[in-house]
Amino acid sequence: QKEVEQNSGPLSVPEGAIASLNCTYSDRGSQSFFWYRQYSGKSPELIMFIYSNGDKEDGRFTAQLNKASQYVSLLIRDSQPSDSATYLCAVSTGFQKLVFGTGTRLLVSP
Amino acid sequence: GAVVSQHPSRVICKSGTSVKIECRSLDFQATTMFWYRQFPKQSLMLMATSNEGSKATYEQGVEKDKFLINHASLTLSTLTVTSAHPEDSSFYICSARTGEYTGELFFGEGSRLTVL
Repeated sequence: QKEVEQNSGPLSVPEGAIASLNCTYSDRGSQSFFWYRQYSGKSPELIMFIYSNGDKEDGRFTAQLNKASQYVSLLIRDSQPSDSATYLCAVSTGFQKLVFGTGTRLLVSP
Repeated sequence: GAVVSQHPSRVICKSGTSVKIECRSLDFQATTMFWYRQFPKQSLMLMATSNEGSKATYEQGVEKDKFLINHASLTLSTLTVTSAHPEDSSFYICSARTGEYTGELFFGEGSRLTVL
């Protein structure tokens, strides 16, 4: 079982819709959860991080964490074509290294 | 925000040669830097944790004699791919955290290595 699992996609949504990206993790000791966006050929950029159960909102982005179910998600409201990228879920059991999922490719069509 | 710079961004070399990639934290001191490798359509895989002034900690399956890491100062870590082979062709990305135990993890721009 992979430590961090994501559906590879692609997830296709029309412009203006809500995109929902999901991630599950295997280590119950995981403490920190991150969502990164990666454009092709570029390095990842941090979108959001979440530490506590529940929702965390930042602009059009909402991260949701459910530690009991070992599940973290990212919602993107009012999706734009510029949001088309690969979204990486990353999990940390401590303050050091991150373990990344394989990423979900999102396609937002105009 | 904090900036991590990598150089070179692209490098092409012949099989058997060695390539050095630099990772610099431009406006903060990084006691710990991380080196990742990413193959096409795959996720980032942590190779090693680079600690300033001490030996790097390598992940299982990563050859420490092939991927030499030096973290000589609080702002510079280098990764040297020794005797590179075509299977070493990949996207190498470094990252650094602004605080020793907390803080956002910032990524460098990445270095694409192609071994002919």
